Amino acid sequence: QKEVEQDPGPLSVPEGAIVSLNCTYSNSAFQYFMWYRQYSRKGPELLMYTYSSGNKEDGRFTAQVDKSSKYISLFIRDSQPSDSATYLCAMDGNQGGKLIFGQGTELSVKP
Amino acid sequence: DAGVIQSPRHEVTEMGQEVTLRCKPISGHNSLFWYRQTMMRGLELLIYFNNNVPIDDSGMPEDRFSAKMPNASFSTLKIQPSEPRDSAVYFCASRGQGLHTEAFFGQGTRLTVV
Repeated sequence: QKEVEQDPGPLSVPEGAIVSLNCTYSNSAFQYFMWYRQYSRKGPELLMYTYSSGNKEDGRFTAQVDKSSKYISLFIRDSQPSDSATYLCAMDGNQGGKLIFGQGTELSVKP
Repeated sequence: DAGVIQSPRHEVTEMGQEVTLRCKPISGHNSLFWYRQTMMRGLELLIYFNNNVPIDDSGMPEDRFSAKMPNASFSTLKIQPSEPRDSAVYFCASRGQGLHTEAFFGQGTRLTVV
């Protein structure tokens, strides 16, 4: 079993839709949770991060962590065509910096 | 800083040949990661270094893969001999001091083994 599971999609939505992206994990040592965004033929870039359970909001993006269920989510409100990319969850613990990624979900927002 | 620099950007090689991928991390960063990305398996961690020392190489698929970090500003990932199933995009990333800092990725090397 992989330490981090993420549905690869692809996911296609109309412009303006609310998008929900999710990951589950198995390692209780993970304490720090991130979402990276990767455009085609580019390296991933950090979008959001959170340490604790609960919600964190940044503009149209909300990251949610439920440590009891080992489940994290990223919500995108009022999605735009420019949001079309692959979204990867990532996490690490207090293990010396090992950073593990989910498989990534390919999102397409249609005008 | 120019960010994480990888070379070459593209590599096409014949099966059995040796391939060397290069990475220059961001100056001052003390952690360096090598990842491999494919459609089927996503972004897999191959190996990571902390202060130039390999910490975890459990993701290196076979003995054909090796990685070195001779100093804080340079790392290589070598595949010898290469096989068609090694075709993927290989990313290098670096991270600064302290726990949970942002990892910055290079543009990747797209490797095709024919």
